[in-house]
Amino acid sequence: DSGVTQTPKHLITATGQRVTLRCSPRSGDLSVYWYQQSLDQGLQFLIQYYNGEERAKGNILERFSAQQFPDLHSELNLSSLELGDSALYFCASSVAGGFGYTFGSGTRLTVV
Amino acid sequence: GESVGLHLPTLSVQEGDNSIINCAYSNSASDYFIWYKQESGKGPQFIIDIRSNMDKRQGQRVTVLLNKTVKHLSLQIAATQPGDSAVYFCAENRASDNAGNMLTFGGGTRLMVKP
Repeated sequence: DSGVTQTPKHLITATGQRVTLRCSPRSGDLSVYWYQQSLDQGLQFLIQYYNGEERAKGNILERFSAQQFPDLHSELNLSSLELGDSALYFCASSVAGGFGYTFGSGTRLTVV
Repeated sequence: GESVGLHLPTLSVQEGDNSIINCAYSNSASDYFIWYKQESGKGPQFIIDIRSNMDKRQGQRVTVLLNKTVKHLSLQIAATQPGDSAVYFCAENRASDNAGNMLTFGGGTRLMVKP
């Protein structure tokens, strides 16, 4: 157990639907990062939150949004889902810059 | 743009041999580097890291080498075992960002260990 908790582990939904992925960071970590990993692809950075505020944005679609709550857990909202959104979505947390991330086990999203 | 990349997409080695996985980075401002291991269906797992004021760092069966002159990073795995089979990612960061700067990941190298 890495200390980063992601739910659900698996999600199957239809095109056009909206889903919410949840992440609880490791205790003491203030930064939360969301990454997307498509089949046999690398990790694509989506967005970062630090202590409740958006810190950096990557290649995140306008259909996707995220937030970090006062208790530091984060949610990634994916709407108007398309088949191409099927992927593994990872959450990671870190204390601050200059340290590695701790990754969760991911949510596997399948859009049918 | 600046990025982190990998030379070899797939590496096949015999069990017991040493493995070397290479990575090139282009951002001269990077001062912190990490190697992650990702097994199928799992999240990336931290293996070893190195800061830019070091050239070499050793862990258990793993060694990371950093050559800042040519912006090159390598991961050496000694006596490779079947359990080492996975995709390995290098990543870089800038430690100066106190809020936590995003890691930039390379494309990954798949290590296959033959029994």
